[in-house]
Amino acid sequence: GQQVMQIPQYQHVQEGEDFTTYCNSSTTLSNIQWYKQRPGGHPVFLIQLVKSGEVKKQKRLTFQFGEAKKNSSLHITATQTTDVGTYFCAGPRAAGNKLTFGGGTRVLVKP
Amino acid sequence: NAGVTQTPKFQVLKTGQSMTLQCAQDMNHNSMYWYRQDPGMGLRLIYYSASEGTTDKGEVPNGYNVSRLNKREFSLRLESAAPSQTSVYFCASSRVTATGGWETQYFGPGTRLLVL
Repeated sequence: GQQVMQIPQYQHVQEGEDFTTYCNSSTTLSNIQWYKQRPGGHPVFLIQLVKSGEVKKQKRLTFQFGEAKKNSSLHITATQTTDVGTYFCAGPRAAGNKLTFGGGTRVLVKP
Repeated sequence: NAGVTQTPKFQVLKTGQSMTLQCAQDMNHNSMYWYRQDPGMGLRLIYYSASEGTTDKGEVPNGYNVSRLNKREFSLRLESAAPSQTSVYFCASSRVTATGGWETQYFGPGTRLLVL
């Protein structure tokens, strides 16, 4: 079945530094969604990418959808303590309104 | 507009006990979902409901049952709780986005369940 993998599983970042987390699907995706879960909280929708090669920005966050629509990345510049949390990517399953979530990248920020 | 609400927030059960987790949404969404999240893990779909009156199994349905009571409410029942069901349970609902017509999900605050 469809699998969505994220790397790295954990990311320790010094405050002010940049980092990138990656999402890879075993199948071509019609779209990819990113969610953020703060510690002790619930996942919150961040953004959706639909087109091949699409790039979207939200302040210091840059999201990219691969040309083959099988991978995506999230790049955060000048990391802040507010960026702490787990970032999940998710792709729709072949049938129905269901999503397959990746395992997430847990981001820890060192002040 | 409360979004997605879940009750209870916390629950401790003994092995073999039963309970029902409640979920309600006030956003007029058609689709609703139940996930479980184990420590350090991603989200695994237990059951989902594409619309009122329909339900379908997800990745990990064993040991659970669901009821889509009406458009607003979707409950999850554990008939005989087991320690392996210790987890955080999230309910979600979804709507079609303006871009491409794909659905994004809105999550409730979660129920933290411990089975002893």
